[in-house]
Amino acid sequence: SQTIHQWPATLVQPVGSPLSLECTVEGTSNPNLYWYRQAAGRGLQLLFYSVGIGQISSEVPQNLSASRPQDRQFILSSKKLLLSDSGFYLCAWSVARDYGYTFGSGTRLTVV
Amino acid sequence: TQLLEQSPQFLSIQEGENLTVYCNSSSVFSSLQWYRQEPGEGPVLLVTVVTGGEVKKLKRLTFQFGDARKDSSLHITAAQPGDTGLYLCAGLRSSGTYKYIFGTGTRLKVLA
Repeated sequence: SQTIHQWPATLVQPVGSPLSLECTVEGTSNPNLYWYRQAAGRGLQLLFYSVGIGQISSEVPQNLSASRPQDRQFILSSKKLLLSDSGFYLCAWSVARDYGYTFGSGTRLTVV
Repeated sequence: TQLLEQSPQFLSIQEGENLTVYCNSSSVFSSLQWYRQEPGEGPVLLVTVVTGGEVKKLKRLTFQFGDARKDSSLHITAAQPGDTGLYLCAGLRSSGTYKYIFGTGTRLKVLA
């Protein structure tokens, strides 16, 4: 069966520090991968998505970047965190357009 | 610009009551999904609807996709405390895109 792992679950980082959040998927090949951010229990904002290794599409210009070094690995990074980067970050994968997302358990990031 | 508006934003009801949540847009979607999210966790896919006018049932939950594929509704019969959570709709706008647009969310609380 397919599973998605996202870590860490919570993170408190000072302003100006770097960030690396990792997401891996098991049990499937060539998934579409996504990073979303959710503010205060509301809707999700798409940050990045990838349809293959090394292919990254950015949806919102910001302080973050994403990389896909392996087929089932998706990484969200920042060189210098801002207070406004705080939020709940979710990784998701899908196998095809109408099949919906399977989400990871999320990372609660607090920038202080 | 928020393409998918959900209403109501918040809903608090007594156990046993019925409720309907709406997801509206001026845009046409090729498919639409509903998710439920509990605090501190990722959203979980409930249903996907792809045909205008389509109705799907999941136990006490009934989902309908509008005839013009611009809107959807979620009806819960005899709500239970276990239905409590954040309900999110997500639409896929057109062919060739892998990006679902999420609605603003409806936070439901069912009181015992």
